[in-house]
Amino acid sequence: GESVGLHLPTLSVQEGDNSIINCAYSNSASDYFIWYKQESGKGPQFIIDIRSNMDKRQGQRVTVLLNKTVKHLSLQIAATQPGDSAVYFCAERPGFQKLVFGTGTRLLVSP
Amino acid sequence: GAVVSQHPSRVICKSGTSVKIECRSLDFQATTMFWYRQFPKQSLMLMATSNEGSKATYEQGVEKDKFLINHASLTLSTLTVTSAHPEDSSFYICSARVTGPLGEQYFGPGTRLTVT
Repeated sequence: GESVGLHLPTLSVQEGDNSIINCAYSNSASDYFIWYKQESGKGPQFIIDIRSNMDKRQGQRVTVLLNKTVKHLSLQIAATQPGDSAVYFCAERPGFQKLVFGTGTRLLVSP
Repeated sequence: GAVVSQHPSRVICKSGTSVKIECRSLDFQATTMFWYRQFPKQSLMLMATSNEGSKATYEQGVEKDKFLINHASLTLSTLTVTSAHPEDSSFYICSARVTGPLGEQYFGPGTRLTVT
């Protein structure tokens, strides 16, 4: 079936570095993508979203890039901080159907 | 951003009893809400989709008689775990989709259920 997957299960960076978390998706009908951050014992927190008519969207310290040609999504976090340590999930959605989540990438930020 | 609340955040109950979890969208209307279950170190597993005023749609393998869902208003959905057993112990998370053309989806803080 259709799925969203992540290349790296764990990413370790130093404080101040830029982080890049990658995600591959397989449903070409997906037109909406979201990145969530989940800290231990908490629900997923909405970070940023992007629609398929865009290839880049910027937020505060975060940028999402979408490459529809190769079905690839990435989340860039600038000047990573210890508070960014969490599990990050990408999710895709075709139309208004249900979200399909990736397996998650754990980001570890060392001071 | 939009806020989704869940109550309770933690609950411990005895086997055979029922537990109700509430999910509320605090500052937006949500025609559609979702209930997920998450096991340690795993991604979220969708259990069911609830639409205000109609019956919930359950995912394959989810017992509808065990996990009762009611979406009584545009801001409230409830999940009742009936006749709970230890294997029902998990982290339950609700999500609400904003009613509108964009349909952003926000998550609640989760409810940790422990069945003894």
